Amino acid sequence: NAGVTQTPKFRILKIGQSMTLQCAQDMNHNYMYWYRQDPGMGLKLIYYSVGAGITDKGEVPNGYNVSRSTTEDFPLRLELAAPSQTSVYFCASSYIKGQGGGQPQHFGDGTRLSIL
Amino acid sequence: QKEVEQNSGPLSVPEGAIASLNCTYSDRGSQSFFWYRQYSGKSPELIMSIYSNGDKEDGRFTAQLNKASQYVSLLIRDSQPSDSATYLCAVNINYGQNFVFGPGTRLSVLP
Repeated sequence: NAGVTQTPKFRILKIGQSMTLQCAQDMNHNYMYWYRQDPGMGLKLIYYSVGAGITDKGEVPNGYNVSRSTTEDFPLRLELAAPSQTSVYFCASSYIKGQGGGQPQHFGDGTRLSIL
Repeated sequence: QKEVEQNSGPLSVPEGAIASLNCTYSDRGSQSFFWYRQYSGKSPELIMSIYSNGDKEDGRFTAQLNKASQYVSLLIRDSQPSDSATYLCAVNINYGQNFVFGPGTRLSVLP
């Protein structure tokens, strides 16, 4: 049972380069999320999706883009990498039915990204 | 801005003692509450979920929820050095659509 799979695990980018962080889940979860975690800090929500074709901004969306063409996949795109985007990126998924709360999030192992 | 507050620590307890971790939240409409453990360099892993007022026990872990006081806590009994990690409190907001995480409390269990 794979759960949430993130690729790559590590990446070094030069300023101005672009890349896509991949995230896939096999639990048929409707909600998917992207977070960043800076050293010694908590998780900050970048984008989330409530289902295929629907995405919305989180707390820190600037410099990132997402798409959700399938239930399983939720890639995160960095268009013009900047040193401030050096962080650990976590993808998570959850099943939420209706209103009032849902099941907890399941996290991938993270992608450690350095922008030099 | 919906907020979740935690003492950043570090919280140090001797092996075998009870560790008490606290969390307060601002959104009165929150209905789902979670505790995650995160080891250094690893992803968060779920420890406890709690949805109703009162206590919920799972092995050495007990979660306590008081919605009137907007307070949720995690007790770890018989603390072990392997419990040394950062503990994140997460709260479901916006009728379940989003999760807000606290900054985490770093726990150190001393042998």
